[in-house]
Amino acid sequence: QKEVEQNSGPLSVPEGAIASLNCTYSDRGSQSFFWYRQYSGKSPELIMFIYSNGDKEDGRFTAQLNKASQYVSLLIRDSQPSDSATYLCAVDRETSYDKVIFGPGTSLSVIP
Amino acid sequence: EAQVTQNPRYLITVTGKKLTVTCSQNMNHEYMSWYRQDPGLGLRQIYYSMNVEVTDKGDVPEGYKVSRKEKRNFPLILESPSPNQTSLYFCASRGHYGYTFGSGTRLTVV
Repeated sequence: QKEVEQNSGPLSVPEGAIASLNCTYSDRGSQSFFWYRQYSGKSPELIMFIYSNGDKEDGRFTAQLNKASQYVSLLIRDSQPSDSATYLCAVDRETSYDKVIFGPGTSLSVIP
Repeated sequence: EAQVTQNPRYLITVTGKKLTVTCSQNMNHEYMSWYRQDPGLGLRQIYYSMNVEVTDKGDVPEGYKVSRKEKRNFPLILESPSPNQTSLYFCASRGHYGYTFGSGTRLTVV
C-alpha cells in the first residue's frame, strides 16, 4: 500500500461547480496535512494546511480531515478555469517532522 | 518577498560531468529539502536538512550529495550524472505551515 494515495484523474468539472479531491494515507500517526496546487511546468504552491479533525475553510477552498478514516479531502467551490491544475496531497510522517510524503496528485480540469 | 531561489532553471549536461544546483532561501527556515519529480512517480525526496551541518537521506539519495554550511543555502550536487537523473528538481524550505518551493530545475543528462 502506498503511503499517500489520490485519484489520478483527470477530474473534469464545469465552471461554477464544486470540485472534490480525495486523499488517503497509511501512517495512522500522521499529524499534519497539506494541499498543494501545481500548474503545469511550475512549482507546487501551498493552498491549505490542516491538522485537526473537521473542516477548515479559506475562501473557496475547504479542507476536510478525518483521522479515524485516514482521509483528507479538498473541496473547491465555484470552480474557475484558473483552478485547472494538479493538486497534491502531502502528509507529515509521524516519526520525522521533516519527511513529508506527497501523493501522486489529482489532475483537475475546469471546463468553461 | 519570502522566496526560495533555485538555479539554474534549465540544464543540459553530459554523463559524468559534475554539476551543482544551487538553492537559497530568505525565510530563516531550519528545514530544507530536495525533491525530484518524474511523470507517474510524483515528488520524491532526495535529501533533507534539519539545520546547518545536519543532513539526511530521503527516499532516493543514490547519486546525489548535499551540504548545508549556512542556514540559507542548500546546494544539490551530482558528482557523476547519469541519464536516469534526468528529471525536474525542486528545492523546498519548510516553515510551520508547510513547504515553499523553488521554481524548479529541469535537468537533462545525455
